[in-house]
Amino acid sequence: AQSVTQLDSHVSVSEGTPVLLRCNYSSSYSPSLFWYVQHPNKGLQLLLKYTSAATLVKGINGFEAEFKKSETSFHLTKPSAHMSDAAEYFCVVSENSGGYQKVTFGTGTKLQVIP
Amino acid sequence: GAGVSQSPSNKVTEKGKDVELRCDPISGHTALYWYRQRLGQGLEFLIYFQGNSAPDKSGLPSDRFSAERTGESVSTLTIQRTQQEDSAVYLCASSQHGTGVGTQYFGPGTRLLVL
Repeated sequence: AQSVTQLDSHVSVSEGTPVLLRCNYSSSYSPSLFWYVQHPNKGLQLLLKYTSAATLVKGINGFEAEFKKSETSFHLTKPSAHMSDAAEYFCVVSENSGGYQKVTFGTGTKLQVIP
Repeated sequence: GAGVSQSPSNKVTEKGKDVELRCDPISGHTALYWYRQRLGQGLEFLIYFQGNSAPDKSGLPSDRFSAERTGESVSTLTIQRTQQEDSAVYLCASSQHGTGVGTQYFGPGTRLLVL
């Protein structure tokens, strides 16, 4: 069974400071891992994905994440927060299950950026 | 049925023709998502439904794309005057909840090829 845990439901940072959103996962197989962002009243937008290639994945808007198998983590980082980064972020694990692609979303982390 | 179903599984069409893609979500799931996945790319969000309303259509690439949903049941994605760049796998997912929380169950997709 797969699961994903986002360790912080809310994160607050000042504009221009680093962002760290934490994610741990469990999976029976080699998973694919994703980070999605959802701005208010918007659908999900893919930030980045890991699919067994390079462990350091770079995404859009300056975000990146590092897959650490030994720690079963896939934390999302950004060197300098921007006001437009304020949104909810979802860590997602995906694996094939019974012929279907089963996708499990984390509970989300709401990022607040303080001017 | 046990999961999300989509039809047709494959569709080959000529440029300029209209196509209609169908999605049958898991019974009782209120949320339904359409995604597009081009070869080697991540999921590109198109539209999501909460019941039969579509709070977010921002992912639709152009006005040639439209979607509707009947109640909390079947959804159809229509692409008018297809172009070669529309070639992709179109994935539908349903979820019990309207936010990203929990598990989205994806259908097998419709592979669209526009010649």
